[in-house]
Amino acid sequence: KQEVTQIPAALSVPEGENLVLNCSFTDSAIYNLQWFRQDPGKGLTSLLLIQSSQREQTSGRLNASLDKSSGRSTLYIAASQPGDSATYLCAVPLMDSSYKLIFGSGTRLLVRP
Amino acid sequence: GAVVSQHPSRVICKSGTSVKIECRSLDFQATTMFWYRQFPKQSLMLMATSNEGSKATYEQGVEKDKFLINHASLTLSTLTVTSAHPEDSSFYICSARDVRDNYGYTFGSGTRLTVV
Repeated sequence: KQEVTQIPAALSVPEGENLVLNCSFTDSAIYNLQWFRQDPGKGLTSLLLIQSSQREQTSGRLNASLDKSSGRSTLYIAASQPGDSATYLCAVPLMDSSYKLIFGSGTRLLVRP
Repeated sequence: GAVVSQHPSRVICKSGTSVKIECRSLDFQATTMFWYRQFPKQSLMLMATSNEGSKATYEQGVEKDKFLINHASLTLSTLTVTSAHPEDSSFYICSARDVRDNYGYTFGSGTRLTVV
């Protein structure tokens, strides 16, 4: 059974810091892994999608890495800004015909001005 | 990138009435869409998987007669909350899987339902 865990649950940092969010999954047989952010009262915005054959993906100040063998992914945010404050979620789809996404419980990030 | 449009963003209805929420994939065809419910400060809870041209698959504990899902076309899925009660008040979000985008998932902006 696939389980996804995210640590830390919450993080508060001063503006400008580089930070790392962690995501782990129990079953290394995955199609891909996706990172999302959710602002309060909003839907999810896709940040990065890493295919199982890839090691990392980058978008602007964001870099996500994937290590299938150890069941881990990290989201690196460089030079954090107050606008980065949100909940960050990682998710992997089940390897069956349901295509259901399994989410971690999220990391609530607060970047202080 | 893929866009999923969800309407309405907010709705207030009286107890006993029904409310329909629409989820549209704007620039791609989605044979499969998903409906989630989210309570304040909690994670998303999958309610059902919507399959184009066939019946939806509901998660355990979700009343299919209360939460009617219709996926009549490749770009539209609807969730109807029937005979709404205050306990149905919640944030509902849809998503779709985009096979063009290496099977990434795109989410709607969510619907805040308040039943009074």
